[in-house]
Amino acid sequence: ETGVTQTPRHLVMGMTNKKSLKCEQHLGHNAMYWYKQSAKKPLELMFVYSLEERVENNSVPSRFSPECPNSSHLFLHLHTLQPEDSALYLCASSQVTAGIGELFFGEGSRLTVL
Amino acid sequence: TQLLEQSPQFLSIQEGENLTVYCNSSSVFSSLQWYRQEPGEGPVLLVTVVTGGEVKKLKRLTFQFGDARKDSSLHITAAQPGDTGLYLCAGAYSGAGSYQLTFGKGTKLSVIP
Repeated sequence: ETGVTQTPRHLVMGMTNKKSLKCEQHLGHNAMYWYKQSAKKPLELMFVYSLEERVENNSVPSRFSPECPNSSHLFLHLHTLQPEDSALYLCASSQVTAGIGELFFGEGSRLTVL
Repeated sequence: TQLLEQSPQFLSIQEGENLTVYCNSSSVFSSLQWYRQEPGEGPVLLVTVVTGGEVKKLKRLTFQFGDARKDSSLHITAAQPGDTGLYLCAGAYSGAGSYQLTFGKGTKLSVIP
Protein backbone atom coordinates (compact mmCIF):
# COMPACT_ATOMS: atom_id res chain seq x y z
CA GLU A 1 0.00 0.00 0.00
CA THR A 2 1.13 3.55 -0.63
CA GLY A 3 0.30 6.98 0.75
CA VAL A 4 -2.01 7.50 3.70
CA THR A 5 -4.80 5.05 4.44
CA GLN A 6 -7.69 5.56 6.83
CA THR A 7 -10.17 3.10 8.28
CA PRO A 8 -13.06 2.88 8.53
CA ARG A 9 -14.23 5.05 5.63
CA HIS A 10 -17.68 5.40 7.19
CA LEU A 11 -18.77 5.13 10.81
CA VAL A 12 -22.16 5.58 12.45
CA MET A 13 -22.22 5.63 16.22
CA GLY A 14 -24.52 6.49 19.06
CA MET A 15 -23.64 9.09 21.63
CA THR A 16 -22.71 6.47 24.22
CA ASN A 17 -20.50 4.34 21.97
CA LYS A 18 -16.72 4.10 21.96
CA LYS A 19 -14.98 3.73 18.61
CA SER A 20 -11.60 4.45 17.05
CA LEU A 21 -10.39 5.82 13.75
CA LYS A 22 -7.14 4.46 12.35
CA CYS A 23 -4.58 6.06 10.07
CA GLU A 24 -1.43 4.56 8.56
CA GLN A 25 1.18 6.33 6.45
CA HIS A 26 3.65 4.53 4.19
CA LEU A 27 5.68 7.61 3.22
CA GLY A 28 8.31 7.68 5.94
CA HIS A 29 7.14 11.10 7.12
CA ASN A 30 7.97 12.50 10.55
CA ALA A 31 4.65 14.21 11.35
CA MET A 32 1.03 13.09 11.38
CA TYR A 33 -2.15 15.15 11.77
CA TRP A 34 -5.85 14.86 12.48
CA TYR A 35 -8.10 17.42 10.79
CA LYS A 36 -11.88 17.86 11.06
CA GLN A 37 -13.81 18.92 7.95
CA SER A 38 -17.37 20.15 8.49
CA ALA A 39 -19.74 21.67 5.97
CA LYS A 40 -19.29 25.42 5.50
CA LYS A 41 -16.24 25.51 7.79
CA PRO A 42 -12.51 25.53 7.06
CA LEU A 43 -10.47 22.45 7.82
CA GLU A 44 -9.76 22.49 11.54
CA LEU A 45 -6.46 21.16 12.84
CA MET A 46 -7.11 18.92 15.85
CA PHE A 47 -3.84 17.23 16.74
CA VAL A 48 -0.28 16.99 15.46
CA TYR A 49 2.28 14.35 16.32
CA SER A 50 5.93 14.74 15.43
CA LEU A 51 8.19 11.75 16.00
CA GLU A 52 5.40 10.19 18.08
CA GLU A 53 5.14 13.17 20.45
CA ARG A 54 2.04 15.37 20.47
CA VAL A 55 3.08 18.87 19.52
CA GLU A 56 -0.29 20.51 18.85
CA ASN A 57 -3.65 20.17 20.56
CA ASN A 58 -6.00 22.83 19.34
CA SER A 59 -8.54 23.05 22.18
CA VAL A 60 -10.18 19.81 21.20
CA PRO A 61 -12.79 18.37 23.62
CA SER A 62 -11.56 15.49 25.74
CA ARG A 63 -14.08 13.13 24.11
CA PHE A 64 -11.49 12.97 21.30
CA SER A 65 -8.32 11.16 22.37
CA PRO A 66 -5.38 10.71 19.95
CA GLU A 67 -2.75 8.02 20.11
CA CYS A 68 0.45 7.68 18.09
CA PRO A 69 2.16 4.36 18.92
CA ASN A 70 4.84 4.80 16.22
CA SER A 71 5.71 7.13 13.37
CA SER A 72 3.51 5.26 10.87
CA HIS A 73 0.30 4.89 12.85
CA LEU A 74 -2.17 7.35 14.31
CA PHE A 75 -5.46 6.70 16.07
CA LEU A 76 -8.34 8.89 17.13
CA HIS A 77 -10.34 7.36 19.97
CA LEU A 78 -13.93 8.57 20.22
CA HIS A 79 -16.26 8.36 23.21
CA THR A 80 -19.52 10.00 24.26
CA LEU A 81 -19.61 12.12 21.12
CA GLN A 82 -22.24 14.71 20.29
CA PRO A 83 -24.26 15.03 17.06
CA GLU A 84 -22.28 18.18 16.18
CA ASP A 85 -19.16 15.99 16.00
CA SER A 86 -20.51 14.46 12.80
CA ALA A 87 -17.96 15.37 10.12
CA LEU A 88 -15.25 14.06 7.82
CA TYR A 89 -12.09 13.30 9.81
CA LEU A 90 -8.96 13.55 7.73
CA CYS A 91 -5.57 12.16 8.61
CA ALA A 92 -2.48 13.63 6.99
CA SER A 93 1.27 13.24 7.13
CA SER A 94 4.18 15.42 6.10
CA GLN A 95 7.93 15.61 6.26
CA VAL A 96 8.63 18.66 8.39
CA THR A 97 12.01 20.25 7.82
CA ALA A 98 12.23 24.04 7.64
CA GLY A 99 8.45 24.27 7.30
CA ILE A 100 5.35 22.16 7.36
CA GLY A 101 5.95 20.84 3.84
CA GLU A 102 3.30 19.19 1.71
CA LEU A 103 0.42 17.52 3.52
CA PHE A 104 -0.53 14.10 2.21
CA PHE A 105 -4.11 13.34 3.17
CA GLY A 106 -5.97 10.10 3.52
CA GLU A 107 -9.43 9.69 2.02
CA GLY A 108 -11.07 10.46 5.33
CA SER A 109 -13.44 8.76 7.75
CA ARG A 110 -17.02 10.01 7.49
CA LEU A 111 -18.46 10.00 11.01
CA THR A 112 -22.15 10.27 11.83
CA VAL A 113 -23.20 10.59 15.46
CA LEU A 114 -26.83 9.77 16.16
CA THR B 1 -6.93 33.82 15.07
CA GLN B 2 -5.80 34.14 11.46
CA LEU B 3 -8.55 34.21 8.84
CA LEU B 4 -8.19 33.24 5.23
CA GLU B 5 -11.03 34.27 2.93
CA GLN B 6 -11.76 32.45 -0.30
CA SER B 7 -14.05 33.65 -3.05
CA PRO B 8 -16.30 32.74 -4.62
CA GLN B 9 -17.67 29.95 -2.41
CA PHE B 10 -19.43 28.27 -5.33
CA LEU B 11 -18.80 28.43 -9.05
CA SER B 12 -20.64 26.62 -11.82
CA ILE B 13 -19.37 27.13 -15.35
CA GLN B 14 -19.54 25.57 -18.79
CA GLU B 15 -16.71 23.49 -20.18
CA GLY B 16 -14.22 25.68 -22.01
CA GLU B 17 -14.75 28.81 -19.89
CA ASN B 18 -12.05 30.52 -17.85
CA LEU B 19 -12.29 31.24 -14.12
CA THR B 20 -10.35 32.76 -11.24
CA VAL B 21 -10.51 31.87 -7.57
CA TYR B 22 -9.17 34.19 -4.87
CA CYS B 23 -7.60 33.72 -1.46
CA ASN B 24 -7.07 36.72 0.84
CA SER B 25 -5.78 37.45 4.30
CA SER B 26 -4.99 40.56 6.33
CA SER B 27 -1.75 38.92 7.49
CA VAL B 28 1.43 38.02 5.62
CA PHE B 29 1.98 34.41 4.64
CA SER B 30 5.39 32.80 4.81
CA SER B 31 4.08 30.35 2.20
CA LEU B 32 0.77 29.38 0.66
CA GLN B 33 -0.49 26.12 -0.72
CA TRP B 34 -3.40 25.25 -3.03
CA TYR B 35 -5.15 21.89 -2.74
CA ARG B 36 -7.92 20.24 -4.74
CA GLN B 37 -10.35 17.85 -3.10
CA GLU B 38 -12.60 15.60 -5.14
CA PRO B 39 -15.75 14.01 -3.68
CA GLY B 40 -14.93 11.09 -1.41
CA GLU B 41 -11.22 11.90 -1.41
CA GLY B 42 -8.76 13.83 0.72
CA PRO B 43 -7.21 17.08 -0.52
CA VAL B 44 -4.26 16.79 -2.90
CA LEU B 45 -1.57 19.46 -3.16
CA LEU B 46 -1.47 21.39 -6.43
CA VAL B 47 1.22 23.98 -5.71
CA THR B 48 3.19 25.82 -3.03
CA VAL B 49 4.14 29.48 -3.49
CA VAL B 50 6.72 31.17 -1.34
CA THR B 51 8.00 34.36 -2.99
CA GLY B 52 5.92 37.53 -3.34
CA GLY B 53 4.91 38.08 -6.97
CA GLU B 54 5.60 34.45 -7.83
CA VAL B 55 3.67 32.86 -10.71
CA LYS B 56 3.50 29.10 -11.17
CA LYS B 57 1.82 27.18 -13.96
CA LEU B 58 0.48 23.65 -13.86
CA LYS B 59 -0.90 22.85 -17.31
CA ARG B 60 -4.08 24.98 -17.58
CA LEU B 61 -3.81 26.23 -13.98
CA THR B 62 -1.94 29.44 -13.15
CA PHE B 63 -1.19 30.35 -9.55
CA GLN B 64 -0.15 33.82 -8.47
CA PHE B 65 1.15 34.99 -5.11
CA GLY B 66 0.61 38.66 -4.31
CA ASP B 67 3.60 40.97 -4.03
CA ALA B 68 2.85 41.57 -0.34
CA ARG B 69 2.29 37.84 0.28
CA LYS B 70 -1.22 38.48 1.65
CA ASP B 71 -3.22 37.12 -1.26
CA SER B 72 -3.18 34.54 -3.99
CA SER B 73 -5.21 33.59 -7.03
CA LEU B 74 -5.82 30.48 -9.07
CA HIS B 75 -6.78 30.90 -12.72
CA ILE B 76 -8.04 28.00 -14.80
CA THR B 77 -8.06 28.32 -18.57
CA ALA B 78 -10.54 26.35 -20.67
CA ALA B 79 -12.02 24.46 -17.73
CA GLN B 80 -12.71 20.75 -18.15
CA PRO B 81 -15.17 18.51 -16.24
CA GLY B 82 -12.14 16.89 -14.61
CA ASP B 83 -11.41 20.22 -12.90
CA THR B 84 -14.57 19.81 -10.81
CA GLY B 85 -13.81 19.75 -7.11
CA LEU B 86 -13.24 21.79 -3.97
CA TYR B 87 -10.25 24.13 -4.21
CA LEU B 88 -8.65 24.98 -0.88
CA CYS B 89 -5.96 27.48 -0.11
CA ALA B 90 -3.86 27.06 3.01
CA GLY B 91 -1.45 29.58 4.46
CA ALA B 92 1.48 29.27 6.77
CA TYR B 93 1.91 32.46 8.75
CA SER B 94 5.19 33.90 9.93
CA GLY B 95 5.46 33.39 13.65
CA ALA B 96 2.98 30.54 13.72
CA GLY B 97 4.07 27.10 14.84
CA SER B 98 5.90 24.91 12.37
CA TYR B 99 2.85 22.66 12.10
CA GLN B 100 0.16 25.31 11.67
CA LEU B 101 -1.59 25.74 8.35
CA THR B 102 -4.72 27.88 8.17
CA PHE B 103 -7.23 26.72 5.56
CA GLY B 104 -9.87 28.72 3.76
CA LYS B 105 -13.43 27.40 3.45
CA GLY B 106 -12.81 26.49 -0.16
CA THR B 107 -14.33 27.18 -3.56
CA LYS B 108 -16.58 24.46 -4.90
CA LEU B 109 -16.21 24.34 -8.67
CA SER B 110 -18.55 22.50 -11.01
CA VAL B 111 -17.65 22.32 -14.69
CA ILE B 112 -20.61 21.34 -16.82
CA PRO B 113 -19.89 19.38 -20.02
